[in-house]
Amino acid sequence: EIGMTQSPATLSVSPGERATLSCRASQSVTTKLAWYQQKPGQAPRLLIYNAFTRATGIPARFSGSGSGTEFTLTISSLQSEDFAVYYCQQGYNWPWTFGQGTRVEIK
Amino acid sequence: EVQLVESGGGLVQPGGSLRLSCAASGFTFSAYWMTWVRQAPGKGLEWVANMAERERGGETNYVDSVKGRFTISRDNAKNSLYLQMNSLRAEDTAVYYCARHRVGGREVEFWGQGTLVTVSS
Repeated sequence: EIGMTQSPATLSVSPGERATLSCRASQSVTTKLAWYQQKPGQAPRLLIYNAFTRATGIPARFSGSGSGTEFTLTISSLQSEDFAVYYCQQGYNWPWTFGQGTRVEIK
Repeated sequence: EVQLVESGGGLVQPGGSLRLSCAASGFTFSAYWMTWVRQAPGKGLEWVANMAERERGGETNYVDSVKGRFTISRDNAKNSLYLQMNSLRAEDTAVYYCARHRVGGREVEFWGQGTLVTVSS
């Protein structure tokens, strides 16, 4: 099973600032990497797939990068609605696995 | 509009069984991989099982922790996905999400609202 490790566990950011979230895979997942956003009491929402492709309707301030074992989700200018938990997920080998999440909170 | 509505969750004793259902609408159900993902209270996400579209013969995959206990199935005529859960354990307590894959992809594009399964005596 491929382990996914996200850092940091919690990120404190002021509105309008840039947020950088990291995700590391225990072995290469090529670019089979997705990012999700989850707000309290809601289902997750797909943000990015194939490491850098934005899902339908996702604002351009969200961008993904990386390949192999190291990936980054960048939110260029945090809006109030972006404070949430973010998960990465690999789809390279079954079982597809999620990271433990990064909570983005208001500084 | 894609809609996924789960039902069937509830309180069950350890060792018991439960069947979750998911009613799908707004898309050609038979053409998509479908999935169950769960989230224990206050915890992260775990992929439970998925099932291929009709053209791939309904291939299924399970995470090791549920193999032999859970069965995913679908009824394309009824646009419905199911998860039969047997020999339930306390660690199966979670919100179970029904979800649809992105076409040709290995990630979830649409999610239901989730149904809570609580395994406790």
